[in-house]
Amino acid sequence: AQKITQTQPGMFVQEKEAVTLDCTYDTSDQSYGLFWYKQPSSGEMIFLIYQGSYDEQNATEGRYSLNFQKARKSANLVISASQLGDSAMYFCAMREGYEAGGTSYGKLTFGQGTILTVHP
Amino acid sequence: EPEVTQTPSHQVTQMGQEVILRCVPISNHLYFYWYRQILGQKVEFLVSFYNNEISEKSEIFDDQFSVERPDGSNFTLKIRSTKLEDSAMYFCASRTPRGTQYFGPGTRLLVL
Repeated sequence: AQKITQTQPGMFVQEKEAVTLDCTYDTSDQSYGLFWYKQPSSGEMIFLIYQGSYDEQNATEGRYSLNFQKARKSANLVISASQLGDSAMYFCAMREGYEAGGTSYGKLTFGQGTILTVHP
Repeated sequence: EPEVTQTPSHQVTQMGQEVILRCVPISNHLYFYWYRQILGQKVEFLVSFYNNEISEKSEIFDDQFSVERPDGSNFTLKIRSTKLEDSAMYFCASRTPRGTQYFGPGTRLLVL
C-alpha cells in the first residue's frame, strides 16, 4: 500500500485564486510528521510547511496552510492568492517513527507529486 | 540564511566509472540524508547518517553505494561502479532538531 497518496497528477488555478492540493497518508505510528515541498522546473526541493501529528493547530506559513484532518489521514496543502511563480511540482511527504528505541531516523517518504499550473 | 550546498550541479560519467557526489549540510544539523529522483518520478530515500554512521538505508542503497563524512563539513555519496539506471537527480538533505529536512539543489547525474 502507498504510504503517501497524491491523487491529482495535475491542477490548474487562476492567478490570485486559492487552490487545494490533496494528500492522504497511511501509517500506524502515533508520532509522525507531514511535509510539503515545492519543486520548480529548475529541480531544487523547497521546503514549504510542516505539520506534526501532535500539533493541535493547522500549520500556516505565509500563503501556505496545511489542512490537517487526522481522523481522515489527510494533509492537504492550501495555497491562497496563487501567483505565477507558484507553478511547480508539489510533493507531500511523511516522516514516521520519529523516535525508535531512542534513535531518531527521520527518513521521508514522498508521494508522486502534483503539477500545479497557475494561469494569468 | 544557511542552506545545504551540493557539488557538482551536473555530472556526466561512463558506465562502470566511480562518482563522488558532495554535499555541505547546514552547519548545526546532525542528521544527513541522501535521496534520489529518477526523471519524472517521485523522490526516493537512499540513506540516513548520524553520529558518523549509517542509521538507515533503503534497498536501493546496495554495496555499490557508500557515504562518508570525511571532515566536519562535507558529506559524500560514492557510487562505486555506475550503471545506466543510476542516472537521476541526487539530493542531499540535513535536518533540524524538530525534524524538518532542508534539501540541497541536487546533482543531476547522467550515466552513459
